[in-house]
Amino acid sequence: GAVVSQHPSWVICKSGTSVKIECRSLDFQATTMFWYRQFPKQSLMLMATSNEGSKATYEQGVEKDKFLINHASLTLSTLTVTSAHPEDSSFYICSANPTTSGSPDTQYFGPGTRLTVL
Amino acid sequence: QQQVKQSPQSLIVQKGGIPIINCAYENTAFDYFPWYQQFPGKGPALLIAIRPDVSEKKEGRFTISFNKSAKQFSLHIMDSQPGDSATYFCAAGDSSYKLIFGSGTRLLVRP
Repeated sequence: GAVVSQHPSWVICKSGTSVKIECRSLDFQATTMFWYRQFPKQSLMLMATSNEGSKATYEQGVEKDKFLINHASLTLSTLTVTSAHPEDSSFYICSANPTTSGSPDTQYFGPGTRLTVL
Repeated sequence: QQQVKQSPQSLIVQKGGIPIINCAYENTAFDYFPWYQQFPGKGPALLIAIRPDVSEKKEGRFTISFNKSAKQFSLHIMDSQPGDSATYFCAAGDSSYKLIFGSGTRLLVRP
């Protein structure tokens, strides 16, 4: 089956530093990937839609200058949390749809990245 | 308009019981309704999904019931097992492929 990986699986950083999280589709190409944030015991909140070769589309209330998204290839999207602060500590999850699927039924989720900002 | 309301927040059943989780939506543009299972520290995994053209779908022990007129759908887990203990999320999507998630239900199945 299709697999989406994330790296790193967990990261601890100091306040004010930037952290990059990678999302890769391992055995399929994905024109579109999605980034979600999940706080403890809460739901997944969509942050942005990552489009290969173009700018990401951010959901209302998400700071695009703080959460930089780059979709450089059909198998890789990166989320960079710039100048991270403790309130950015969360579980970040990506998902990807195979370019050839033509259906949301085949949206695959990554295992998530736990970010802790000290 | 974009919300998906999920209930209950938590649920405890005995092994073999049939937990039922309910969701409701407002946006009539939604045309895809998946259910996800999530274990602690892991990403969500798709369990089963339905589209508005059918009222029920079964896959193994999981059944979705869908009421288009009421804009509600529910998940039933037959013969529940302790291994089913997890958090369950309903979601709704449209042609953009974006998913709006419900608030989640923490299920505990006691042996």
